[in-house]
Amino acid sequence: QQPVQSPQAVILREGEDAVINCSSSKALYSVHWYRQKHGEAPIFLMILLKGGEQKGHDKISASFNEKKQQSSLYLTASQLSYSGTYFCGTAIQGAQKLVFGQGTRLTINP
Amino acid sequence: DTGVSQDPRHKITKRGQNVTFRCDPISEHNRLYWYRQTLGQGPEFLTYFQNEAQLEKSRLLSDRFSAERPKGSFSTLEIQRTEQGDSAMYLCASSLDRPVKANEKLFFGSGTQLSVL
Repeated sequence: QQPVQSPQAVILREGEDAVINCSSSKALYSVHWYRQKHGEAPIFLMILLKGGEQKGHDKISASFNEKKQQSSLYLTASQLSYSGTYFCGTAIQGAQKLVFGQGTRLTINP
Repeated sequence: DTGVSQDPRHKITKRGQNVTFRCDPISEHNRLYWYRQTLGQGPEFLTYFQNEAQLEKSRLLSDRFSAERPKGSFSTLEIQRTEQGDSAMYLCASSLDRPVKANEKLFFGSGTQLSVL
């Protein structure tokens, strides 16, 4: 079952913060986050495993709430380079593949 | 690593024609996935290989679609008797192991954009 992302689109000014959510109706084992720019391959950002850990690098971090089956991606002090479409990919225990959400389009304006 | 490469980048075909796409994964990666992506949507799983074995196919994959991975290296995806609804970006991805394992990220290729006229 496809995870649901919200919001579908966000428009920010450079320096503002954003939160993107990914929710599933199934018990998740892992959540992946990817970013895709127009006409390019999706690029890996981070993986979160069951356990509610928070991860981050630079000004992008994420959390995984396994009770709610929800993951959130946090982008702080956004930069122009953060523009693109963000996808969460989810896997249940024993899964052999990722199931991706429909994406959240992030636009950063100067 | 040289990354995942896909060929061709773009393919325009007429309805009813057959098309074949190629994917070269990262050389040491055992797993290879095919996804399809339409405008404004996330990647949709089609099939995956563990080495040369095709282990799962989506119910979305009609019998007009066939994929191979001979010798566990490159893979091909063939669509026979193309329909306009097949128009999409076909993405290939590879990984060392299952995506539920820590740090087992997918490396995606840039995709093949198929347009069926």
